[in-house]
Amino acid sequence: DIQMTQSPSSVSASVGDRVTITCRASQGISSWLAWYQQKPGKAPKLLIYAASSLQSGVPSRFSGSGSGTDFTLTISSLQPEDFATYYCQQANSFPVHFGQGTKLEIK
Amino acid sequence: QVQLVQSGAEVKKPGASVKVSCKASGYTFTSYYMHWVRQAPGQGLEWMGIINPSGGSTSYAQKFQGRVTMTRDTSTSTVYMELSSLRSEDTAVYYCARDYRTHDFWSGSPTVGFDPWGQGTLVTVSS
Repeated sequence: DIQMTQSPSSVSASVGDRVTITCRASQGISSWLAWYQQKPGKAPKLLIYAASSLQSGVPSRFSGSGSGTDFTLTISSLQPEDFATYYCQQANSFPVHFGQGTKLEIK
Repeated sequence: QVQLVQSGAEVKKPGASVKVSCKASGYTFTSYYMHWVRQAPGQGLEWMGIINPSGGSTSYAQKFQGRVTMTRDTSTSTVYMELSSLRSEDTAVYYCARDYRTHDFWSGSPTVGFDPWGQGTLVTVSS
């Protein structure tokens, strides 16, 4: 199985800040990586697929990059609605595993 | 619009079984695989398995082999996930989630991710 490690596990930031979350795969997964946002009591929402493709309707302040084993999710200018938990998911092979999550909190 | 609507919360005793439903609408039901993912309280996301609504083929995560059964009813565009021999550690929110793009799982073709997701079904296992 391909395991995913996210960092940091939590981060505090202010509205307007730039935030970067990283995800590392235990082996190469090309660009088969997805990012999700989850708010309390809600289902996850697909933000980015294929490492850098923005899902329809997702604001352009979200971006993804990386390939192989190292990936990043960047939020260029945090908005109040962005405070949530973010998960990466390796989509290269089954079983698909998710990272442990990064909780983005208001400073 | 594409939508997945799940059945309501369940409370079960240890050793019992639970069956959760997920009704799809807004797209051709048989064209996209469906997955089940669970989330224990305060924990991360755990993939359980996949079903092909077209032929009914399934593949389960090793952890759940022998305890989980995924089925579908094409006449109602509904998939089901049944988990047996429940224990307290199975207390979680269970989600169905559709593959965002079509691919051929059984030939090893990757997915690109899951979208949309159902609203989740809380299953509580308690004596």
